[in-house]
Amino acid sequence: DVKVTQSSRYLVKRTGEKVFLECVQDMDHENMFWYRQDPGLGLRLIYFSYDVKMKEKGDIPEGYSVSREKKERFSLILESASTNQTSMYLCASSTRVNTEAFFGQGTRLTVV
Amino acid sequence: EDQVTQSPEALRLQEGESSSLNCSYTVSGLRGLFWYRQDPGKGPEFLFTLYSAGEEKEKERLKATLTKKESFLHITAPKPEDSATYLCAVQARTQGGSEKLVFGKGTKLTVNP
Repeated sequence: DVKVTQSSRYLVKRTGEKVFLECVQDMDHENMFWYRQDPGLGLRLIYFSYDVKMKEKGDIPEGYSVSREKKERFSLILESASTNQTSMYLCASSTRVNTEAFFGQGTRLTVV
Repeated sequence: EDQVTQSPEALRLQEGESSSLNCSYTVSGLRGLFWYRQDPGKGPEFLFTLYSAGEEKEKERLKATLTKKESFLHITAPKPEDSATYLCAVQARTQGGSEKLVFGKGTKLTVNP
């Protein structure tokens, strides 16, 4: 079975902190994605990566950056956390050809 | 612009009462349509992929179908454990030429015993 693991289930951070969300997949997938999910807005794509050190902006990249130094690991960085970044963050991975994506369990981030 | 609209937003059924969820989409050249199930506080769980109009896939009490403009998720004789939010997504091409998934907002299904 594909496994996508996010480092934390719950996080509470203060406004202005730099926040790192980590994601690891064990299926050698080329593509990795970061989404956020908010009530009434659904899943929105923040950033994705189609190869090591390669990244592409999604629909809502402002206030975020990403890092992919190894194929299995994809990090989401909140440079200076703000309260409007309180959300559920979901990491996913897929093969390059078949974009059926597999998701991690999610990180519920609260910024106070 | 690639878009996915799901209806209804919420659906409440009695156990055993069959129904369907709708996913309508607009995308430049459909390359895949995906159904996911999401339980509260968890990540989406993959259910089905459909690629072409007329295609059908089944899993237990769920059956997904696809036309040129929409997909249906039929739930036959549902049980309380089928309660979840069901998400639909289409494969779309990004400005950079890569592939991504565009999701609908989901249908929250509640099945009462």
